[in-house]
Amino acid sequence: KAGVTQTPRYLIKTRGQQVTLSCSPISGHRSVSWYQQTPGQGLQFLFEYFSETQRNKGNFPGRFSGRQFSNSRSEMNVSTLELGDSALYLCASSTGQGSTGELFFGEGSRLTVL
Amino acid sequence: QKEVEQNSGPLSVPEGAIASLNCTYSDRGSQSFFWYRQYSGKSPELIMSIYSNGDKEDGRFTAQLNKASQYVSLLIRDSQPSDSATYLCAVVYGSSNTGKLIFGQGTTLQVKP
Repeated sequence: KAGVTQTPRYLIKTRGQQVTLSCSPISGHRSVSWYQQTPGQGLQFLFEYFSETQRNKGNFPGRFSGRQFSNSRSEMNVSTLELGDSALYLCASSTGQGSTGELFFGEGSRLTVL
Repeated sequence: QKEVEQNSGPLSVPEGAIASLNCTYSDRGSQSFFWYRQYSGKSPELIMSIYSNGDKEDGRFTAQLNKASQYVSLLIRDSQPSDSATYLCAVVYGSSNTGKLIFGQGTTLQVKP
C-alpha cells in the first residue's frame, strides 16, 4: 500500500511569491491534515480536510489556504510569502472516521523563502 | 497556556534504563491522546494511542493517562540507542471523531550505549 506522497520535496521561493504544495493520501483515506514544522514552534496545525470540506482550521493567517479534491488529494497554497514561512510542511492522512488522531505522515515539502 | 506542553529535553538515559516522557494538556474535554516518534530528518510516526485513564502497554512502551490531572506520559523500558528520537505528545481537541490533533513541542531522547 503506497504511503502519503508529497510534492515537491524541496523548493526555494522569494518573498512575495506564492507556492502550492500537493499531497496524495493513502488509498482509501478521506482526511488530509496539514502541519507546519519549524525548529522554534514545532508542529503547528494548519487545517484538515475531509470529503472536500475544511473540517478544522488552525491559527494561521488567511495567506494560508487549502483545498481537497474528490479523489481526496489535497493542495495547500501560501500567498505573499514571508521569510518566516520557511519551514517543513507536512501532510498527513487518516481514514477520517473514528479517532482523528491516528495520522500517517508524508515526507514533507521543505520550503525556503529568500 | 499552551494546548500541549512537553519538556523539550534533551533527556539522556543509559542503555537499558527506563525513559520517562511527560506531557500536560489544557483542554479538560479531550478524550484522545497519542505519542508519535520522530527520528532526525524523518516524519512523525504513531507509536501509541490511549483513550482511558490508566496504563496501556505495547511491548517496551507504556502510555499512562490521568485525565483529572490532564497528564499523559510515555515510559520506554530497556531503552535502546535506536530509541533516540524526538517524542511528540498529541491531543485531539474537539470531538474525538472530528477534532484536530494538536502536538506538543516534543522531547528529545538520547539513549547512550
